[in-house]
Amino acid sequence: GESVGLHLPTLSVQEGDNSIINCAYSNSASDYFIWYKQESGKGPQFIIDIRSNMDKRQGQRVTVLLNKTVKHLSLQIAATQPGDSAVYFCAENFGNEKLTFGTGTRLTIIP
Amino acid sequence: DAMVIQNPRYQVTQFGKPVTLSCSQTLNHNVMYWYQQKSSQAPKLLFHYYDKDFNNEADTPDNFQSRRPNTSFCFLDIRSPGLGDAAMYLCATRLERGRQPQHFGDGTRLSIL
Repeated sequence: GESVGLHLPTLSVQEGDNSIINCAYSNSASDYFIWYKQESGKGPQFIIDIRSNMDKRQGQRVTVLLNKTVKHLSLQIAATQPGDSAVYFCAENFGNEKLTFGTGTRLTIIP
Repeated sequence: DAMVIQNPRYQVTQFGKPVTLSCSQTLNHNVMYWYQQKSSQAPKLLFHYYDKDFNNEADTPDNFQSRRPNTSFCFLDIRSPGLGDAAMYLCATRLERGRQPQHFGDGTRLSIL
């Protein structure tokens, strides 16, 4: 399943399928990007980050892709599991100290 | 082991009654942040400290203040809470300026009666 930008805040995916969560960021000068996962009643949890001099970075079951030309960031989750159900936020860093968060996408896993 | 600890997890206060939320960190990070998060919204930065230097966001209400007595602790004071201040308050830390992730606590859920 795939979300489209920030206009689709909810994404439902069958367990075992791959998920793709998209994010359009705002500032072409942003040089660092993070994906966070937030479960109900908890704080955002770091998943993966990427610097602007890269276009792809892989972690365990997750991949982040960065397209600076169109200011687009995506998070791919392989073989989605029930524990992946959460809200996912992208965040961009510009300047030295602050992050700006995207709207967020709620990922729901269908058993 | 929790590295950014927020107390209490749930706080109930009365309209207009001052309340203080606390955050402590075991990471020895230089930067500490306070965010407000309302239901189904992204975290909104209120202010942050780089070491002892306080940085307020332009749209943070005067009703919100913060103290950082030492590296490990940071407090959020709400002088006269209104109903619109009911939210989750998140504390985060970052080692240094620049391209590093922020580490979040699990927040304090504030309710206003």
